[in-house]
Formats: sequence, C-alpha cells, structure tokens
Amino acid sequence: QVQLQESGPGLVKPSGTLSLTCAVSGVSISSGYWWSWVRQPPGKGLEWIGEIYHSGSTHYNPSLKSRVTISADKSKNQFSLKVNSVTAADTAVYYCARVVGGLHHSWGQGTLVTVSS
Amino acid sequence: EIVMTQSPATLSVSPGERATLSCRASQSVSSNLAWYQQKPGQAPRLLIYGASTRATGIPARFSGSGSGTEFTLTISSLQSEDFAVYYCEQYNDWPPWTFGQGTKVEIK
Repeated sequence: QVQLQESGPGLVKPSGTLSLTCAVSGVSISSGYWWSWVRQPPGKGLEWIGEIYHSGSTHYNPSLKSRVTISADKSKNQFSLKVNSVTAADTAVYYCARVVGGLHHSWGQGTLVTVSS
Repeated sequence: EIVMTQSPATLSVSPGERATLSCRASQSVSSNLAWYQQKPGQAPRLLIYGASTRATGIPARFSGSGSGTEFTLTISSLQSEDFAVYYCEQYNDWPPWTFGQGTKVEIK
C-alpha cells in the first residue's frame, strides 16, 4: 500500500523559500504515476500547486508557476516542492499525493507551514 | 481555468436523513468529476470518480450523478462518521486541476 509523508520546516520567513519533501513508500515514484502537491490555507479549500511525472515532466498551477519548482529524487524515492518569495498568503497545510488519471488517489497526512517573521 | 462552484456552503442534516450536495463547473468537464471527503485534521479521501463510480471501500450510501457542468453527491442515510467537508474536483482539463470551495455537512 502506498504511503506518503511530508516533511520540512513549519515556519518560514516572509520573502524566503518554502521547501518540503514527500517521502513515498510502497511504490516507486518511477512506476508511472504523477506526483502532486496540494495546499489548504487554514479554514479554506484545496488548491492544486503542481505535479511531476517520473520522467521529470512537470505541470504547475498558472497562479503559482513563477514561484514554484517541483523536483524528484528517484534514488531516495521522494519528490520535493519549493516556493519562492513567500508571503503570509502561502501559509497553509501542504499535502503531497499520488495522481492517477487526474485523481488524487493517495495523500500524505499534510504538514502546516506558517509564513511569519 | 475551469471554476468549480459548490452549493450550499453548509448543509445541516439529521443523522439518518438524506444529504444532497451540488457542484457546478464553469464549462463542461464531461464525466471527469471526483468527490472527496475531508474530516478535521485529516487529508481528503477519494469517494467518487467518473462522476458516479465509488472508490474502493466507499459505502453504497454514497452516490454521485451528473455530467457536463452539473453534478450531485448524495448520501442516502447520514451516519455519524459522514459529517465532514466534501469537495468536488474536475480532472478533465489541466493545468490546473481545480477543486470546489467545499460543502460542510454538519449535524442538525
């Protein structure tokens, strides 16, 4: 059974860079799925950030594209998210997920990232 | 970008009653519509995909219908564990995949 686990700093300063990693177990990230990041500001809805394929191809939400990079490390079976120039509006629970045909089938538990000085 | 609009924002229902949630897309998404359930402090869970197909392990009291731009999630007889927030998602046209703003189903 696939399991995903997010990790990274819970506090980031404004204008800094948010960096998170999603460790995947139970399946290889090279096995042909897309791997996604979704975020949820406190008390609000879900926002898709972007995704990466095992080949390294990526898609990003146009609203965030200029500030976001998603990468993968096949040797560690994990993928990562970087968001540059963060503001308080980037405060959210960040989830990683496995995507099958556009469906977010399996999710990590989520990690709260707060942007504050 | 396809905008997904859910209604109502909050639905108050008594246990054992039926709940009907709506989701509208700003343009046709065919049947490429999913529903997720999210409980407090938890990640979303896939309930329905293809507008009407239940995901593995989802009880039969959950059903989905619709196509094009209008979709419905029905919970036939609400159980205590069903009180949660429900999101629809279109996966017909990307990027980006887009979610509705959610409907909270609360105890009446």
